[in-house]
Amino acid sequence: QSALTQPPSASGSPGQSVTISCTGASSDVGGYNYVSWYQQHPGRAPKLMIYEVSKRPSGVPDRFSGSKSGNTASLTVSGLQAEDEADYYCNSYAGSNNWVFGGGTKLTVL
Amino acid sequence: QVQLVQSGAEVKKSGASVKVSCKASGYTFTGYYMHWVRQAPGQGLEWMGRINPNSGGTNYAQKFQGSVTMTRDTSISTVYMELSRLRSDDTAMYYCAREMGLLKAFDFWGQGTMVTVSS
Repeated sequence: QSALTQPPSASGSPGQSVTISCTGASSDVGGYNYVSWYQQHPGRAPKLMIYEVSKRPSGVPDRFSGSKSGNTASLTVSGLQAEDEADYYCNSYAGSNNWVFGGGTKLTVL
Repeated sequence: QVQLVQSGAEVKKSGASVKVSCKASGYTFTGYYMHWVRQAPGQGLEWMGRINPNSGGTNYAQKFQGSVTMTRDTSISTVYMELSRLRSDDTAMYYCAREMGLLKAFDFWGQGTMVTVSS
C-alpha cells in the first residue's frame, strides 16, 4: 500500500485561507468516504481534525473544513491563526481492514 | 474522560524484541478497536495494524506481518504491541490510537513511546 501524496509544505498569512491536498487512488481515497485529517504540533501526539471527509469532531473550530473529489481529498484552513502552524496528515481507509497515511504537510503561518 | 497511557521509552539492540503497552480508561475498553501507528524521527505517520479488544482479532499492515504481534488483556484494559527482530530503522515513536466507533478514524491517541534500536 503506497502512502498518499501530500505537498511537503504550505503557507499563508494570518487571516488567509490555505488548502492542503491529499492524492491517493480509487482503492483508497477515491473508493471510500473514510478520509480523516490530523494535526500534529512538534513533540505532541496527532489530533483528529476531520473524519469521514468533511465532518468535524466536537471542539474543532469550523475554520477547518474537508472535501473530496475523485481520488483527491483536501483540507482547508480558513482565517489562519498562529496556532494552526503544525504538520497535517491525511489518512484513508484502503479496504480489507487496511489504512494508509499521507506523507504529511508542514503548514507555516507567515 | 478517555485516556490512553503508554509505557515508557525503550532502548533495544538490533535483533531483539520490544513490547509496548497502552492502558485505556474512561470508556468501555472492549467496545472500540485499537490501532498502532509509528513515526520515525522527522518522518511521517505509518499505520501498523489494529486489534479488536473484544475478540483479540488483529489486522496487520502487510509490511509488518510476521514481525508485529498485537495482544490485549481485558482484565486491565490494556493492549500491547510487540515488534520482533528489531532493526535500526524501527527506531521511532510508537502511538496507540482508538478507532472512532465504525467511522475508521482515530479519535484518541496515546502520548507515544519512543523505541530506540542500537547496533
